[in-house]
Amino acid sequence: DTAVSQTPKYLVTQMGNDKSIKCEQNLGHDTMYWYKQDSKKFLKIMFSYNNKELIINETVPNRFSPKSPDKAHLNLHINSLELGDSAVYFCASSQTSLSYEQYFGPGTRLTVT
Amino acid sequence: AQSVTQLDSQVPVFEEAPVELRCNYSSSVSVYLFWYVQYPNQGLQLLLKYLSGSTLVKGINGFEAEFNKSQTSFHLRKPSVHISDTAEYFCAVTPANDYKLSFGAGTTVTVRA
Repeated sequence: DTAVSQTPKYLVTQMGNDKSIKCEQNLGHDTMYWYKQDSKKFLKIMFSYNNKELIINETVPNRFSPKSPDKAHLNLHINSLELGDSAVYFCASSQTSLSYEQYFGPGTRLTVT
Repeated sequence: AQSVTQLDSQVPVFEEAPVELRCNYSSSVSVYLFWYVQYPNQGLQLLLKYLSGSTLVKGINGFEAEFNKSQTSFHLRKPSVHISDTAEYFCAVTPANDYKLSFGAGTTVTVRA
């Protein structure tokens, strides 16, 4: 059973397109996150939702819009894709009342051409 | 704000030799500290964490780390590495009772036979 899953694993698209990445966790956690890992492997948080409420929103272009339909899902929609959006996007979840440990998904490698 | 500095970007090591990965942090508040490992083309996996208590923390796969508050360090060690330890290692920090993880730039460990 996969704890944190993401789809798709790979996404190749052209500039200007709109795409979505989906994330699901079956751990019963109350908080979910999106991270971006660039080509130099630097990881930076983008968004976080706690009980479906946005609690972290870093300086991310508003072309990126997270949506949390329920506590187990956090999707990332990206409008008007740009070359600089090419990266690996990781979803993570945690149960903040317990240990602050975050569990990561396998990542989605987005390539914008 | 918190920041994390991983002092070594690449660490080559021979199999069965010890390894130490250095991590320093800066913060004006109490923090929780983590080490994550990322195997090639995979997501991040928690190796160990320090929240409070004993400053020597033991994690999975034979890794341990020592929290040193006066030196604001959280160095990771393993007495004898295996080929399978070849991976990227990330040190991360979050303010105590907060959700937001800040990652270091990562250390690439390459284990050679």
